Amino acid sequence: DSGVTQTPKHLITATGQRVTLRCSPRSGDLSVYWYQQSLDQGLQFLIQYYNGEERAKGNILERFSAQQFPDLHSELNLSSLELGDSALYFCASSVGYQKTQYFGPGTRLLVL
Amino acid sequence: ILNVEQSPQSLHVQEGDSTNFTCSFPSSNFYALHWYRWETAKSPEALFVMTLNGDEKKKGRISATLNTKEGYSYLYIKGSQPEDSATYLCAFIFPFSSGSARQLTFGSGTQLTVLP
Repeated sequence: DSGVTQTPKHLITATGQRVTLRCSPRSGDLSVYWYQQSLDQGLQFLIQYYNGEERAKGNILERFSAQQFPDLHSELNLSSLELGDSALYFCASSVGYQKTQYFGPGTRLLVL
Repeated sequence: ILNVEQSPQSLHVQEGDSTNFTCSFPSSNFYALHWYRWETAKSPEALFVMTLNGDEKKKGRISATLNTKEGYSYLYIKGSQPEDSATYLCAFIFPFSSGSARQLTFGSGTQLTVLP
């Protein structure tokens, strides 16, 4: 158990819908990262927050957004969902951006 | 585009064999390299964070070396066991001057299967 929690574990929704994925980092970790793993793709970095502020952006679509709240939990919002958004979404946390990242169990999203 | 490459893509070894795989990365302006172990149906688990040229890290039967001048890292597993079967990922943090600053860019991984 990494200490990072993600909810929900599984999510099934329809195209065009909007969903919110939630992540709670390990106690004391200020950085939160979001990753996407699609079928036959490696882990793709989406976005990073540090202590409430966005610090780095990767291959994140404009339909996706994220935020980190004062209690350091983070939410990833996915809107106007398409079939291709079906993937495993991981959250990770670390003390700082260059430090070890601890991954949560992931949220498996299926868009039908 | 800055890439991290891992080889081989997959590997089958017999229990007890020692094995190693490679992670290649751009050698200019190195910042840090991470190794992760990812078992099926689980989440990636951190093995090592390597920052200095010549670094050698060890965790049980698994060790890693780093050569930043030539842009590669090796992961070694001594006396492989079936429970070592997993995908081993390396990830590179690109320096601030690049467009990929502050993020881990993952390689596609080496899938290791240890046969009993």
